[in-house]
Amino acid sequence: NAGVMQNPRHLVRRRGQEARLRCSPMKGHSHVYWYRQLPEEGLKFMVYLQKENIIDESGMPKERFSAEFPKEGPSILRIQQVVRGDSAAYFCASSATGGDYGYTFGSGTRLTVV
Amino acid sequence: GQQLNQSPQSMFIQEGEDVSMNCTSSSIFNTWLWYKQDPGEGPVLLIALYKAGELTSNGRLTAQFGITRKDSFLNISASIPSDVGIYFCAGQLTSGSRLTFGEGTQLTVNP
Repeated sequence: NAGVMQNPRHLVRRRGQEARLRCSPMKGHSHVYWYRQLPEEGLKFMVYLQKENIIDESGMPKERFSAEFPKEGPSILRIQQVVRGDSAAYFCASSATGGDYGYTFGSGTRLTVV
Repeated sequence: GQQLNQSPQSMFIQEGEDVSMNCTSSSIFNTWLWYKQDPGEGPVLLIALYKAGELTSNGRLTAQFGITRKDSFLNISASIPSDVGIYFCAGQLTSGSRLTFGEGTQLTVNP
């Protein structure tokens, strides 16, 4: 009964490249949440997705960032033309119905932009 | 947007001591949550509070949901070295909705 799986654990990108972060929710979970954590700060909400739908993207930067959760496969957070300020830990969490409190987080992807 | 003020930012204590940390909010939440994060890992849920005034324990941890719904505290009794980590409070308005996190309390326990 695997937990929330994120890969890669570490990702290094040069400025201007694209970063793709993947999140496989817990088995049977159809709701996914993405959060970003800057060094020595708390987690900040980015986006909430249900299968094939974006429920709440109010925390997503307006440009360069996008997220999807297709019918089959993992959820993807895509950052185009990365800049140094995108360096952070990106965490994914999942829940079964969207009715859970305090959903379970993955171990995160640490993105470093050089 | 909503903001959570968490204090203290850091604590250095001796093994066996009790610890207390708290969170205050500019607006109400209907659920308060406390998480612990170890280096290189995601946050792990410690305690969830669902009702104003509620006091809940999980082993050596005790947390309370403030009566105004704008604050919460976490106590750790008889600390041990494995309590080291960053503790975050989080507020949630409705089940399934986004979490708003505090900035964290870094706890160091000296053996």
